[in-house]
Amino acid sequence: QVQLQESGSGLVKPSETLSLTCAVSGASISSGGYSWSWIRQPPGKGLEWIGYISHSGMTFYIPSLESRVIISADWSKNLFTLQIKYVTAADTAVYFCARSRGTQPYYFDFWGHGTLVSVSS
Amino acid sequence: DIQMTQSPSSLSASVGDRVTITCRASRDITNYLNWYQQKPGQAPKLLIFDVNNLHTGVPSRFSGSGSGTDFSLTISSLQPEDIATYYCQHYDLLPLAFGQGTRLDLK
Repeated sequence: QVQLQESGSGLVKPSETLSLTCAVSGASISSGGYSWSWIRQPPGKGLEWIGYISHSGMTFYIPSLESRVIISADWSKNLFTLQIKYVTAADTAVYFCARSRGTQPYYFDFWGHGTLVSVSS
Repeated sequence: DIQMTQSPSSLSASVGDRVTITCRASRDITNYLNWYQQKPGQAPKLLIFDVNNLHTGVPSRFSGSGSGTDFSLTISSLQPEDIATYYCQHYDLLPLAFGQGTRLDLK
């Protein structure tokens, strides 16, 4: 069974960097046929896809976050990470990592439980 | 970018009712449309992929239809465990995007 688990700081100060890790078990993130995404959900609001990394390291970010976001992977540890620089209160959200079928995101069949990140001084 | 608009934003229904949620894309996405169910405090769960394909373990009372820009999710006979928020998601072109969600509760 594929499992994803988010971890990282739950509280980040404005203008600092949000860093999260998604540890994957039951599947190899370097195997073809899948991609690995970050999705966030502000409190009481809908889902926003942030971007993804492919099994080969290709990345894509949504335009509104492109200048502040990096998604990377540690292939040896089978995990991928999210960094968002210069955070503001608008970045407060539950952050999910998810697996998608396809070299590019297609449908998300496995999700982490999510982790709440609050941006506050 | 392609925007997804769901309607209604919320609806109330009774157990046994037939419920339909619609999703409209801002341009033609052929059949590149998925549906998710999210219960409070949980991650979303995949219900349907490619418009009308039920994900493993999803009850047959759920169905999807549509093509082009207009899509729908139908629950043929609402059950108490179906109370949740439902999201559509396109993957026609990057960036992919979700609809704003439809909150379903019991009347």
